[in-house]
Amino acid sequence: SQKIEQNSEALNIQEGKTATLTCNYTNYSPAYLQWYRQDPGRGPVFLLLIRENEKEKRKERLKVTFDTTLKQSLFHITASQPADSATYLCALEEGYGQNFVFGPGTRLSVLP
Amino acid sequence: DTGVSQDPRHKITKRGQNVTFRCDPISEHNRLYWYRQTLGQGPEFLTYFQNEAQLEKSRLLSDRFSAERPKGSFSTLEIQRTEQGDSAMYLCASSHAGPFRDQYFGPGTRLLVL
Repeated sequence: SQKIEQNSEALNIQEGKTATLTCNYTNYSPAYLQWYRQDPGRGPVFLLLIRENEKEKRKERLKVTFDTTLKQSLFHITASQPADSATYLCALEEGYGQNFVFGPGTRLSVLP
Repeated sequence: DTGVSQDPRHKITKRGQNVTFRCDPISEHNRLYWYRQTLGQGPEFLTYFQNEAQLEKSRLLSDRFSAERPKGSFSTLEIQRTEQGDSAMYLCASSHAGPFRDQYFGPGTRLLVL
């Protein structure tokens, strides 16, 4: 079964800088990969989905890349703001029509 | 509010008691998922339904856990003979069926077993 690793448990950056979070998976490349944001005491909120045939996806200040050779996805937040402070989770589908596997998350703190 | 709702939001129980949680998904979603999340970890898959059919159940799920979705709408998750290790946040999510679908999560039910 798939295992997901996210680069670090916590990441602190200065406001205005670009945050880069890493998601690595171990087995076969999934058809797509998702990123979610989770605030303390709340359920995750979907942010972006990237398909295996897409190299890059953007949404406002967010950018996701997907490298099936490296078995890795990178998640970037440009011009970061304190309001971006949260835990970011990556997730992939175990197999078509099966369950989702989530990574442990990276807790991002954007310092003013 | 047409989001996913869960009830109760918090539950404290004594070891050995049974507990039941409810999830109301987004009405047009036919897939419903249950996850468990402990501090510092991502959500861990428990089971999912497509309409009223339970299609997959995690191998990690003991026989003390059971879930139902009798009419393909709301779902219940029951834990029998609770143990302290069951203390966690229980999350419900719903989605459309088909590929490339995102999940909409509820606020979760936080369970504390004393």
